[in-house]
Amino acid sequence: DIQMTQSPSSLSASVGDRVTITCRASLGIGSWVAWYQQKPEEAPKSLIHAASSLQNWVPSRFSGTGSGTNFTLTITSLQPEDFATYYCQQYSTYPHTFGQGTKLEI
Amino acid sequence: EVQLVESGGDLVQPGGSLRLSCAASGFTFSYYAMTWVRQAPGKGLEWVSGISGSRVSTDYADSVKGRFTISRDNSKNTLYLQMNSLRAEDTAVYYCARHEGGGGGSVDYWGQGTLVTVSS
Repeated sequence: DIQMTQSPSSLSASVGDRVTITCRASLGIGSWVAWYQQKPEEAPKSLIHAASSLQNWVPSRFSGTGSGTNFTLTITSLQPEDFATYYCQQYSTYPHTFGQGTKLEI
Repeated sequence: EVQLVESGGDLVQPGGSLRLSCAASGFTFSYYAMTWVRQAPGKGLEWVSGISGSRVSTDYADSVKGRFTISRDNSKNTLYLQMNSLRAEDTAVYYCARHEGGGGGSVDYWGQGTLVTVSS
């Protein structure tokens, strides 16, 4: 199985900050990476697919980059509603493994 | 509007069985691949199983292979997960989710989840 290693596991930031979360795949997976946001007691929400394509409902302060084995999610100018846990997922090969998550805290 | 509504979660004893359902609306269900993802209490997301739009292809996580069966009824716009030989470690919220296309791709829409608790 392809392992997805996210870092950091937790991150403290303030409103207005720029933050970056990284995800490393154990094998090359092209651009087959998605990013999801999850708030406490809520279902996950899809943010990015194909490493860098934003879903229609996602604000432009979110961006994704990467290909092969290294991927990043960047949030510029953090807003209060952005404090949540973020997950990467590879969908190159089954099983579609997730990273362990990054908790973004104030 | 795309909607996915899970049901069937319950408290079940170890070794027992349960069938989860996911009622889909707001899109042409038969066209899209679907998946189940679970989240144990306080833990991260774990992909469980997926099925293509045509039902030709199914896949499972090693942790559930041989115990869980994914299926769909395109005439009823419903996705299922039959769970047998349940273990305590299967305790989780189970989410139904839609892939972007018929053969797979990333997930774009998620249901709200249904809680499965395996305990004596």
